[in-house]
Amino acid sequence: AQTVTQSQPEMSVQEAETVTLSCTYDTSESDYYLFWYKQPPSRQMILVIRQEAYKQQNATENRFSVNFQKAAKSFSLKISDSQLGDAAMYFCALVVGYGNKLVFGAGTILRVKS
Amino acid sequence: KAGVTQTPRYLIKTRGQQVTLSCSPISGHRSVSWYQQTPGQGLQFLFEYFSETQRNKGNFPGRFSGRQFSNSRSEMNVSTLELGDSALYLCASSSDSASSYNEQFFGPGTRLTVL
Repeated sequence: AQTVTQSQPEMSVQEAETVTLSCTYDTSESDYYLFWYKQPPSRQMILVIRQEAYKQQNATENRFSVNFQKAAKSFSLKISDSQLGDAAMYFCALVVGYGNKLVFGAGTILRVKS
Repeated sequence: KAGVTQTPRYLIKTRGQQVTLSCSPISGHRSVSWYQQTPGQGLQFLFEYFSETQRNKGNFPGRFSGRQFSNSRSEMNVSTLELGDSALYLCASSSDSASSYNEQFFGPGTRLTVL
C-alpha cells in the first residue's frame, strides 16, 4: 500500500517571501510519480508540479520547485516570491504502476499575508 | 478545449435515497477517475474507468458504483445514502496514452449533502 503524509496542517508566508511545504511518502514500487496539487477556495484542483521517480533532477515550474529526496522518500514544495493568489490548500500526491489512482496527503493550508 | 464538466454542481438528498453524478471528460480522454473529498477522510480514490471498464477500485462499500459510456462520459451512483456520504465528489480525466504518465485534469466537483 502507498501512503502520503503532510505533517503541516497550516502554513503562513509573507507576500514576496519563500515558503516550503513538506511531504513524505511510502511505496515499495520503483516506478512512480509525485505531484503537488493546489486547491483554491473554488475547489478546482490544479496541478502545480510533478516529478518522475526515475529522474534525479528536481522539477521546476516558474516560482515552484521541488526537493525530491528519493532515499528519504521526501518531496517538498518550495514556493518563491509568494503571491496572494498562491493562498490555497496544497496536496501532495503519489501514483504508482498502471492506471491513475492518486493517493493524496491530508493537505496543507497556505495563507499568504500582504 | 472544454475542461472536465460535472453535473449537477450541488445536490441535496436525504438518507436512504440514491444519487447519480455525471462527469464528462475532456474530448479525447478515455480515462475517468472519481474521488471523494471530506474534511475527515481527505481525498480518497473511488474508482477509475477506462474504455468502459473499471480498471482500478478504491476501498469503498458496494453502495458506490460507476460506469462509463462509449463516449467516455462517466456516472457514479451511490445507493442507500448515509450522512457520511456528504462530500465533494471530484472527477478527473486523462488521455492515458501508452508513452508515459498523463496528467489528470479535474472537474469542479459535485457537492453532495445528505440530510
